[in-house]
Amino acid sequence: DIVMTQSPLSLPVTPGEPASISCRSSQSLLHSNGYNYLHWYLHKPGQSPQVLIYSGSYRASGVPDRFSGSGSGTDFTLKISRVEAEDVGVYYCMQALHIPLTFGGGTKVEIK
Amino acid sequence: EVQLVDSGGGSVQPGGSLRLSCAASGFTFSSYWMHWVRQIPGKGLVWVSRIKGDGNTTTYADSVKGRFTIHRDNAKNTLYLQMNSLGADDTAVYYCVRDGRGDSVFDLWGRGTLVTVSS
Repeated sequence: DIVMTQSPLSLPVTPGEPASISCRSSQSLLHSNGYNYLHWYLHKPGQSPQVLIYSGSYRASGVPDRFSGSGSGTDFTLKISRVEAEDVGVYYCMQALHIPLTFGGGTKVEIK
Repeated sequence: EVQLVDSGGGSVQPGGSLRLSCAASGFTFSSYWMHWVRQIPGKGLVWVSRIKGDGNTTTYADSVKGRFTIHRDNAKNTLYLQMNSLGADDTAVYYCVRDGRGDSVFDLWGRGTLVTVSS
């Protein structure tokens, strides 16, 4: 199975400041079609998870442009340019290249 | 409205069975792969199973293979997860999820249904 490793586990942030989450996979997620099969999800308290970024760097519909994804192969980063209070929750990366699909352990983002 | 409504969770004894349902509405259900994802309370997300739009292809996580069966009734726009031989480590919130693009981008989630396995 592909192992997904996220860091940090916890991320206290100040509103208006940037934030960054790292995700590393045990195998390359770059498909021969040129796309990285790496997606980012946010699980807000009391809600169902929602997709933020797909294929490494493409923002899902309705996602604010303060969220961005980058990386390729085995190293990926989710960045929030200016954190807002509504961004709190647990962020997960997930690889979709191989079965079983696997998630990272999650990064809990909370307001300082 | 485009939505998934999952149901069927509850408390069951070890070794017991349960069937989860997920009613889809607002979109052409048969056109999408569908998945089940679970979350043990206080832990992360874990993928469980998937099924192709026509119902002819299914895949399972090793932890549930041989015990769980995913199936769908496209005439009823409903996804199911039949869970047998349940154990304590199956205790989790189970989410019904739509693959919006065919590459496992989960763009629509149910609200989740809690399964508790305990004696």
